[in-house]
Order: sequence, then structure tokens, then C-alpha cells
Amino acid sequence: KQEVTQIPAALSVPEGENLVLNCSFTDSAIYNLQWFRQDPGKGLTSLLLIQSSQREQTSGRLNASLDKSSGRSTLYIAASQPGDSATYLCAVKTGAGSYQLTFGKGTKLSVIP
Amino acid sequence: KAGVTQTPRYLIKTRGQQVTLSCSPISGHRSVSWYQQTPGQGLQFLFEYFSETQRNKGNFPGRFSGRQFSNSRSEMNVSTLELGDSALYLCASSLGARGDSPLHFGNGTRLTVT
Repeated sequence: KQEVTQIPAALSVPEGENLVLNCSFTDSAIYNLQWFRQDPGKGLTSLLLIQSSQREQTSGRLNASLDKSSGRSTLYIAASQPGDSATYLCAVKTGAGSYQLTFGKGTKLSVIP
Repeated sequence: KAGVTQTPRYLIKTRGQQVTLSCSPISGHRSVSWYQQTPGQGLQFLFEYFSETQRNKGNFPGRFSGRQFSNSRSEMNVSTLELGDSALYLCASSLGARGDSPLHFGNGTRLTVT
């Protein structure tokens, strides 16, 4: 059974700092991995999707990497801003043909002005 | 393009009642999946539909059911509500059939069971 862990559960940083969020998974036979952000009381917004054949994906100030062999992914946020404050979740899909994802419990990020 | 729309946003029900939640996917998306989010368990997969067929089901009791219509809109039903069913229910849609496209989530339905 796939398990996804995100450490730390919460993180507080000053504005402008670069930061890394971590995600680990127990079964390395994944199909893809997605990073989401969730604002309070809202749904999830997809940030980056990394297919199993890829090593990283970039979008603006965000960069996500994937190391299947070690069961790890990181989300790098450059030059953090107060608007980045949210809960960040990683989700792993194991197997093709379905959208069943296994989620971590998230890292709650606070960027202090 | 309109996003994923879930109705209603909030629901309060009493134990033993049943409830139906609705989800309208992004136009053109044929896959709809449902998730339950609670503080203790986080996000857990309920089920997924593609072209009106249930493709996958999570580890939830039979009181949780769903369906998808020919226009890709989906509903989920929970019968004989229990206090533990209080949660945020999220619906997500996606474009592809193979599970390799990003998921787009609605803002959810907050269900409170008293």
C-alpha cells in the first residue's frame, strides 16, 4: 500500500527566502506525482505534474524534482512571497488508467512579510 | 473556461439522513473523481468515473456511492449519515483517460453531520 509523507507539517519563513518542501513515498513504482496548493476553505490547485520518466518540472518560481529510486520529491520555491502562504500537498499516482491519487497530509507554509 | 463547480457549498444534516452532492467538471473533461478530506485522515480517494463508468473505488463503505451522467456531471450520495462523515468533499476533473493529466479541483462541499 502506497504511503506518502510530507515533512515538516508546518513551516514559517521570512519573505524573500528560498525554501524546499519534502515529500517521500514508500512504493517507487509510481506513474506520476503532483504538487498542489490549498488555500483555507478552498479546493486544490495543481502546481506541477511530474511523470515517472521525468526528473523535474518548473513553473515560474517553482521547481519540483523527482527521484523515484529513493522515493522522494522536493518542491523548491524561490524568493517566497506572502501570497505563497498555503498548505502544499503532494500526491502520487500508482498505475495507469485511473486518477486514484494517494496524498500526503501536507506542509502548511507561512511566509512572514 | 469555467472551473469545476460543486454544489452546494455547505450542508448540515442529521445522523441517519442521506445526502447528494453534485459536481460539474470543466467542459470537455470526461474523468471525475471524488475525495474526502478530514483533519485526521487528510485526503482520501472515494471513487472515479470516466465516460459514465466507475473505474476505481477507494476503501469506503457501501453507503458511499456515485454516478456520472452522459454530460460528465457527477453526483455522489451518502446514505445513513454518521457523525464521522463530516468532512470536506472534493471533486476533481481531468482531460485524459490514462491518468497523466493534471487534476482540477472544485472548492468542495462542506458536510456537517449532527
